Amino acid sequence: GAGVSQSPSNKVTEKGKDVELRCDPISGHTALYWYRQSLGQGLEFLIYFQGNSAPDKSGLPSDRFSAERTGGSVSTLTIQRTQQEDSAVYLCASTPSGGLAKNIQYFGAGTRLSVL
Amino acid sequence: DQQVKQNSPSLSVQEGRISILNCDYTNSMFDYFLWYKKYPAEGPTFLISISSIKDKNEDGRFTVFLNKSAKHLSLHIVPSQPGDSAVYFCAASSSRGAGSYQLTFGKGTKLSVIP
Repeated sequence: GAGVSQSPSNKVTEKGKDVELRCDPISGHTALYWYRQSLGQGLEFLIYFQGNSAPDKSGLPSDRFSAERTGGSVSTLTIQRTQQEDSAVYLCASTPSGGLAKNIQYFGAGTRLSVL
Repeated sequence: DQQVKQNSPSLSVQEGRISILNCDYTNSMFDYFLWYKKYPAEGPTFLISISSIKDKNEDGRFTVFLNKSAKHLSLHIVPSQPGDSAVYFCAASSSRGAGSYQLTFGKGTKLSVIP
């Protein structure tokens, strides 16, 4: 596709349920990032994938959060036993390889998660 | 502790006037700075960037200024247009090694351009 695609665009779930959020990065981009934006806050880094390297999970807020990236392309962010404080917009970004272009991250439209 | 700070949560400017959005950072390891623009229900889109070796970068109506000694950067939009109304995020980049980079974002400034 032309841009980063995320699905679903909106997700409403009940507290305690598990959710899966999907990100399809721009074709050929080697790096993929997940961020979370809570109301009134900036973008909070969650996890980073670069090629076949082990992901950087340093931003994940708890062990209820996990992510995987299959075949170096599509990524899934999973939140187990959701809590109300997990409600936020979850954004995915990817970057191309080569030079300073690596610094420019291209974002999807995000998934708005609401935990009731 | 916030490493990238945007102290003004909102800014209103008259159409045709200059908009100035400010950003401060604390980490001297940051070597590249970016501004992103975000409309409601959309992801942030890249607007303009500047390397730490420069103090100014201009692209059309948008100019970013960097003052390294003050650890401060600003985005100037002139003339401001109603379509510029959005949330603007300042971001700073640092190398995490092996050719990859990490972005640290500010909380954003909501710009409203009044017709």
